[in-house]
Amino acid sequence: DGGITQSPKYLFRKEGQNVTLSCEQNLNHDAMYWYRQDPGQGLRLIYYSQIVNDFQKGDIAEGYSVSREKKESFPLTVTSAQKNPTAFYLCASSISSGDWGYTFGSGTRLTVV
Amino acid sequence: GQQLNQSPQSMFIQEGEDVSMNCTSSSIFNTWLWYKQDPGEGPVLLIALYKAGELTSNGRLTAQFGITRKDSFLNISASIPSDVGIYFCAGLTRDMRFGAGTRLTVKP
Repeated sequence: DGGITQSPKYLFRKEGQNVTLSCEQNLNHDAMYWYRQDPGQGLRLIYYSQIVNDFQKGDIAEGYSVSREKKESFPLTVTSAQKNPTAFYLCASSISSGDWGYTFGSGTRLTVV
Repeated sequence: GQQLNQSPQSMFIQEGEDVSMNCTSSSIFNTWLWYKQDPGEGPVLLIALYKAGELTSNGRLTAQFGITRKDSFLNISASIPSDVGIYFCAGLTRDMRFGAGTRLTVKP
């Protein structure tokens, strides 16, 4: 079955450490996205990628980095520069940028301890 | 970036009641979508609307794309306990913008 997989489901990080969240899709989608979700707020866009080897900053990119070396994979690194990293992170993909068919992963909950 | 104004923030209803929630924006969108998110999971698409004035149903769910292209509503009829979750509206032009969500609680 095609889908989008995020791992791990839960992640704990010590202050000052970088951590990488995995997102893999086998839907053959060109576009991939990372969103952050905080309680009581909508999803905020961190980074997006329209095609392999290309990515763009979203609304809240500071303290995050991404790479898109393969079509299937779009890992997100939460760096020590991110001041408030504890949140629920969602990865999504779509056939192309601007396509309505966003498929979401099941999310990674990151907690800084 | 432009976010959508979604209301109400939360609803507590009795099983069997109907539910209505809406989303407004100062910007025009080409597509409106409604998602449902269960706790600890990613959002799942419920209904997509592509044309101003369009009214679309999916089982007990009905959604409309506002005529001004700046708003949309979602109705759920005869609610059941598994309707519990957070409902998000989303507007799509070049990229997708989300409302803050409506948290629905259904009491049996």
